Amino acid sequence: DQQVKQNSPSLSVQEGRISILNCDYTNSMFDYFLWYKKYPAEGPTFLISISSIKDKNEDGRFTVFLNKSAKHLSLHIVPSQPGDSAVYFCAASAGNNAGNMLTFGGGTRLMVKP
Amino acid sequence: DVKVTQSSRYLVKRTGEKVFLECVQDMDHENMFWYRQDPGLGLRLIYFSYDVKMKEKGDIPEGYSVSREKKERFSLILESASTNQTSMYLCASLSVLSDTQYFGPGTRLTVL
Repeated sequence: DQQVKQNSPSLSVQEGRISILNCDYTNSMFDYFLWYKKYPAEGPTFLISISSIKDKNEDGRFTVFLNKSAKHLSLHIVPSQPGDSAVYFCAASAGNNAGNMLTFGGGTRLMVKP
Repeated sequence: DVKVTQSSRYLVKRTGEKVFLECVQDMDHENMFWYRQDPGLGLRLIYFSYDVKMKEKGDIPEGYSVSREKKERFSLILESASTNQTSMYLCASLSVLSDTQYFGPGTRLTVL
């Protein structure tokens, strides 16, 4: 049973618009969440993270929102660019240090059309 | 810049063969991880190590073993490869002072 789920396997967005990627989790012990981005033939790269003591974290065009009561987080990319086209993985850990094991979602493939 | 390298980008092996996947990191990180990535399943943790000669099972350790004889190197071993081990294998490392895992480029293994 997957503890971290990304229910949309793919998402297509027009350049300049907002991309919203969603992630749900079931384990209430998770208190640290990360988003990774993966291009084909490359390893995932860290994008942004959020601790459960916050409900929002922003880094440039990327914002992650956390709704603890709904066990839901989302990644907003504004404005979307063609170079953002990649697979995005949501990950969670129990404990504030990601040196604890990470549990990943299945990924969402984002396609940003020029 | 953190660098995590994996010995092969692509590998083709036959059923029953013993397979070694090597991972090296150059940042003196304590923790190292092996994952496999399959479509729709994301990354699943096979094994991790928090120190030399130390290892812990992840979510899917069956059919795999690991070796960490030196801090910078973490090896994944398939004792007898099977077709259901065809996958993308990703290695990662992490400093205990950090909160980010750094990944290698991955090894796409095909078992025929």
